[in-house]
Formats: sequence, structure tokens, C-alpha cells
Amino acid sequence: KAGVTQTPRYLIKTRGQQVTLSCSPISGHRSVSWYQQTPGQGLQFLFEYFSETQRNKGNFPGRFSGRQFSNSRSEMNVSTLELGDSALYLCASSSTTGGFYEQYFGPGTRLTVT
Amino acid sequence: GQSLEQPSEVTAVEGAIVQINCTYQTSGFYGLSWYQQHDGGAPTFLSYNGLDGLEETGRFSSFLSRSDSYGYLLLQELQMKDSASYFCAVRAPRRVTGGGNKLTFGTGTQLKVEL
Repeated sequence: KAGVTQTPRYLIKTRGQQVTLSCSPISGHRSVSWYQQTPGQGLQFLFEYFSETQRNKGNFPGRFSGRQFSNSRSEMNVSTLELGDSALYLCASSSTTGGFYEQYFGPGTRLTVT
Repeated sequence: GQSLEQPSEVTAVEGAIVQINCTYQTSGFYGLSWYQQHDGGAPTFLSYNGLDGLEETGRFSSFLSRSDSYGYLLLQELQMKDSASYFCAVRAPRRVTGGGNKLTFGTGTQLKVEL
């Protein structure tokens, strides 16, 4: 099976712009979670989507949003970028949700905001 | 809320055994997981403890004591390729999160394996 893929792998944006990141989960997986990783804050949960519905949301401002399509692919959007949004954005897929299910992480998108 | 504490850095020599500790404070608990992340790489799942006790997977073992809110990852026969960051993570139960796969990660422990 192919693993979790994320595009693009690297991105440079300017403050005030908006950005869309994409995640394709492992085939058959219906849950996609997004995490932000920074040296200062570590790995922080953004949100999870399951069957096109947001299941959980972390403590991030409304500038961070996401969606999931019927084929389970997911996108996250960050509007009005700030310097502090520079981070590695990771998505993780899981076969389902609601219990313990191993999460498989993608390679991440490295976002740099200048 | 939930918080997890780990040592920031551990150094050991090749062939040795190392233990990475994780203490947690949660408003609910639904198991402790461990992930490994190499520099520039994605976190990869290592182990999960839903109940107290020891889980063994090859050279890696993980232990959980729910009464002590404590767990550890034990790495045996260390190899250079084990140099990486290790994260513990908890998933709160449905009554806390409403369900879902939200993981709260620890601060991470950077393991350096030396010759």
C-alpha cells in the first residue's frame, strides 16, 4: 500500500497570504488528522476529519480550517499568514476513529512565512 | 487539559539499553502511545499501552502504570539508527473529546546513540 502523501513538501509564503495544503491518506483510511510541529511548541493537534465531518478541533485560531472530500483526501487552509505559522504541517491517517487505531503520518509540508 | 513531560535529551552508547520516561496529567485517559521521528522524517508508530504492564516488540518495550500516570519506552541493543526523537502521546476518551483520534504529544526526547 502506498503511504500517506502530502503536497507540496516545501512552501514559502509572505505574511498576509493564504495557503492550502493537501493530504492523501492510505487507501481505505477514512480518518485524517492534521498536526503542526514547531521547535517551541512541539506537535500540536489541529483537527481531525472522518467521513467528510470534522470530529475534533485543537486550540488554533479560526484562520486554520480544513475539509475532507468523499475520497478521504483532505486539505487544510491557513488564511492571513503570520510569521508564527512557519512550521512543519503533518497529516496522519487512520483506518477509522473512536478507539485506538494506529496513525500513519505523512512526510509533512514545511511552510516558511516571510 | 492534558500535558506530558519527557526528558529533552538522552545519550547512550551503541549496544546499551536506554529508558525514556513519560509522565502525564490528563483529565481522562485512553492509552499511551510512542512514536519515533528521525530528523526531517515523519513520526512513525512504535507501540501502544492501553492497560498497565509491559508490551514488547522486538528491541523495543513500553511500560505503563496508570496509577502513577507514568510510562516509559525501553530500547535494547541500541543501534546508531535509533538516534531520533521519541514522543509519548495520549488519546483522551470519548467522554472528554467526544470521540475521534486527537493525540496530545509529549515534548519529545532526542536520543543520541554514540559509538
